[in-house]
Amino acid sequence: QQQVKQSPQSLIVQKGGISIINCAYENTAFDYFPWYQQFPGKGPALLIAIRPDVSEKKEGRFTISFNKSAKQFSLHIMDSQPGDSATYFCAARTGYSTLTFGKGTMLLVSP
Amino acid sequence: SQTIHQWPATLVQPVGSPLSLECTVEGTSNPNLYWYRQAAGRGLQLLFYSVGIGQISSEVPQNLSASRPQDRQFILSSKKLLLSDSGFYLCAWRDSGNSPLHFGNGTRLTVT
Repeated sequence: QQQVKQSPQSLIVQKGGISIINCAYENTAFDYFPWYQQFPGKGPALLIAIRPDVSEKKEGRFTISFNKSAKQFSLHIMDSQPGDSATYFCAARTGYSTLTFGKGTMLLVSP
Repeated sequence: SQTIHQWPATLVQPVGSPLSLECTVEGTSNPNLYWYRQAAGRGLQLLFYSVGIGQISSEVPQNLSASRPQDRQFILSSKKLLLSDSGFYLCAWRDSGNSPLHFGNGTRLTVT
């Protein structure tokens, strides 16, 4: 029940295209859903996060869509750029608990 | 502003040798501190976390231990490294309460 399932494992998108990464969860008590971006050799960095009282949050080219009834949330990267090539992790937690991470998606944006 | 420091950035150690990785956080007090391990091409595995000095919770029983001798210092140790201890070790922190988690830049450990 604590798992967060992330897909796809890897993704190749052409420059200018839309990258979509999906996550699903079981624990309905989760109330915080962040996405992290990790470049090779670096620690993950918080990219964007959402709470379940909204269905969408947008920051620049990055958008989280949240579907509470389906227990799913996704990251959309609009106008994908080669500099977006990285590993992306979704995560979830309840209040003061530790984060449960998905297994990550390696995104490659081809020039 | 808050910053997190991890060192060393890379480390090559022989099997059976001891390990000490250090992490410090600046600009905050009484943070929650975490150690994660990331195997090559894999996800993030939580190893230990601490909500206060001397308070350590272990998520995975293994060859490692953690200590928190000071409020903003978190240390990952091993008495005898195994080949399977190789990986990318990440320290992370967040303020107590409902706040975001922030990672350091990690230590790449290779056990030979």
